[in-house]
Amino acid sequence: AQSVTQLGSHVSVSEGALVLLRCNYSSSVPPYLFWYVQYPNQGLQLLLKYTTGATLVKGINGFEAEFKKSETSFHLTKPSAHMSDAAEYFCAVSDLSGGGADGLTFGKGTHLIIQP
Amino acid sequence: GAGVSQSPRYKVAKRGQDVALRCDPISGHVSLFWYQQALGQGPEFLTYFQNEAQLDKSGLPSDRFFAERPEGSVSTLKIQRTQQEDSAVYLCASSLAGQGSYEQYFGPGTRLTVT
Repeated sequence: AQSVTQLGSHVSVSEGALVLLRCNYSSSVPPYLFWYVQYPNQGLQLLLKYTTGATLVKGINGFEAEFKKSETSFHLTKPSAHMSDAAEYFCAVSDLSGGGADGLTFGKGTHLIIQP
Repeated sequence: GAGVSQSPRYKVAKRGQDVALRCDPISGHVSLFWYQQALGQGPEFLTYFQNEAQLDKSGLPSDRFFAERPEGSVSTLKIQRTQQEDSAVYLCASSLAGQGSYEQYFGPGTRLTVT
């Protein structure tokens, strides 16, 4: 069984400050890892994903995340927060036991608040 | 191109009514997923189709939930005799099958409120 833990249901940062959203996972096999963003009344949009290869992955809107196997973590960062980054962020994992088309297991989400 | 669409966007049902939620995946996407997202929670997997075959329905919470995708494109999630605990946003996602493509594209969801 796999699980995802997102530390902090709410994170507040000032505009221009570093954004750090934490995600830890458990999986019995090497996982594929994802970060999604959800704006109010909208579906989820993929920010970035880790499958294989380079452990530092870059996504859209200036976000990046680093897969650290030893820490079972996949934290999301952005050097400088923008007001438009205010949204709900979800970390998700897939263990590919279904051959590459698995349902994702999501964390409970972190609500990012940007202070002007 | 067109993304994943879902209808209706909002549905209010009285307890005990049956509802049907529709998902139109991205054209050519073989895989289709349904998720349930309760208020303040992350999405939870319900079921998965590859073409018209329902390969995994382990997440369906009860036998009141039924999903189909008869022609391998549009899918319908049906909930019979709705209960208040069924109130949630139901998300549909689609993806390309095969190696190397694991990105799921999500629709806007259907918000179901059972009164």
